[in-house]
Amino acid sequence: QQPVQSPQAVILREGEDAVINCSSSKALYSVHWYRQKHGEAPVFLMILLKGGEQKGHDKISASFNEKKQQSSLYLTASQLSYSGTYFCGTENYGGATNKLIFGTGTLLAVQP
Amino acid sequence: DTAVSQTPKYLVTQMGNDKSIKCEQNLGHDTMYWYKQDSKKFLKIMFSYNNKELIINETVPNRFSPKSPDKAHLNLHINSLELGDSAVYFCASSHQTGGRGYTFGSGTRLTVV
Repeated sequence: QQPVQSPQAVILREGEDAVINCSSSKALYSVHWYRQKHGEAPVFLMILLKGGEQKGHDKISASFNEKKQQSSLYLTASQLSYSGTYFCGTENYGGATNKLIFGTGTLLAVQP
Repeated sequence: DTAVSQTPKYLVTQMGNDKSIKCEQNLGHDTMYWYKQDSKKFLKIMFSYNNKELIINETVPNRFSPKSPDKAHLNLHINSLELGDSAVYFCASSHQTGGRGYTFGSGTRLTVV
C-alpha cells in the first residue's frame, strides 16, 4: 500500500534538473509532496487534488496522473537548498479520510 | 509563533520503562496525528484524532496509547518500552477537509537501551 518512489537517491550539480516519481497501487484521491532536511521535520511543499493537475512552487512543480496512479515532482535549476529527502504522501479513494500514506522517499543531494 | 510543538526533543530510556511525548498546535487545525519514522526513514502513520476523537489506529501495539484532551493537544504514552520502539516520533496537524498540507512538529528522538 505504501507508494513507491523512484529514484531512491539522486546527486545533482547546482543548476541541474531532477524528476522524482511516485507510484501507487491504489486509485489516488490526492498527492502531497514534502521535503525533509537531515534532523528536521518534513515540510509541506504542495498538494494535488485533481487528475491531470499540475502545480508550481518557485522552481519546483508537480503533476498528477490519476489514471496511472502516479505523481511526479520536477525540480528545475536546482539550488543547494533543495537538498534533502523528498516524500510523496497519498490519500486513496475508499480509504479513511486524512489517512496520508508516505512513499519510500528520495534522497536528493545538490552539490556546488 | 504559530506551530506544532513537541516535547521532549530527545528521550533516552531503558527497556521496560513508561514514557510520554506531548504535542500542541496553535494553528487552529482540527485533526492531529502521530507518525513514526524508523531508521530507514520510512514515515508510518500510527494514530489520527479529529476534534478529540480517534479516527485512525494503525495496528499499533496497545502499549501505545494516544490521548487528546482537546483539539489542540495530542499526547502519546508508551508502556513497557522495547528496543524496537527506538525511532523518531512526529506529531502533525491539519484541517480535516482535504486540500491542505500537514504541519509537522520537530520530532522526538526516542532511544531505548
